[in-house]
Amino acid sequence: EDQVTQSPEALRLQEGESSSLNCSYTVSGLRGLFWYRQDPGKGPEFLFTLYSAGEEKEKERLKATLTKKESFLHITAPKPEDSATYLCAVRSVFSGGYNKLIFGAGTRLAVHP
Amino acid sequence: DTGVSQNPRHKITKRGQNVTFRCDPISEHNRLYWYRQTLGQGPEFLTYFQNEAQLEKSRLLSDRFSAERPKGSFSTLEIQRTEQGDSAMYLCASRTGDTEAFFGQGTRLTVV
Repeated sequence: EDQVTQSPEALRLQEGESSSLNCSYTVSGLRGLFWYRQDPGKGPEFLFTLYSAGEEKEKERLKATLTKKESFLHITAPKPEDSATYLCAVRSVFSGGYNKLIFGAGTRLAVHP
Repeated sequence: DTGVSQNPRHKITKRGQNVTFRCDPISEHNRLYWYRQTLGQGPEFLTYFQNEAQLEKSRLLSDRFSAERPKGSFSTLEIQRTEQGDSAMYLCASRTGDTEAFFGQGTRLTVV
């Protein structure tokens, strides 16, 4: 069964303190790994899609990387406005045949000034 | 704004009442998904439409839940005889082809 596990559950950083969030996955035939950001009371906001091991994507202070078993979201010199829940999801070739996303529980990031 | 639109944003209902939520996807997106998210968890898949056809339903979707997408445009999700366990954020997402899914802001349901 397809499964996504994110760690840590919560992370507290000082402004400027770089760190990484982890997403471990087990999936039959990966058709994409997705990172979303979710603010309280809002819907998830798309950040990145990664398709194959070794692929990297960057956006401002965020950089996502992918291996055959996990993905990392690196946050460089974070600011308080980066505080949010970061969700990882996978799309499988065999996820019901209709490409639904399987999500992890997320990492709640708090960046303090 | 041409994003995914969901209404209402918040709904408080008494146990046993029926509720209906609406989702207006991005206009050119033919694929539409409903997810449910409880506190501290990631979204869980409920059902999927391609155009007007409902092609997949999760086992989470009990007989009290029904979804429609007439004419392949907007979609509705109805919950009959609501229970306290139905309290959650209901999210709609749409996409086309092999692109990423875009989510709406969700409908927060509270059953009292």
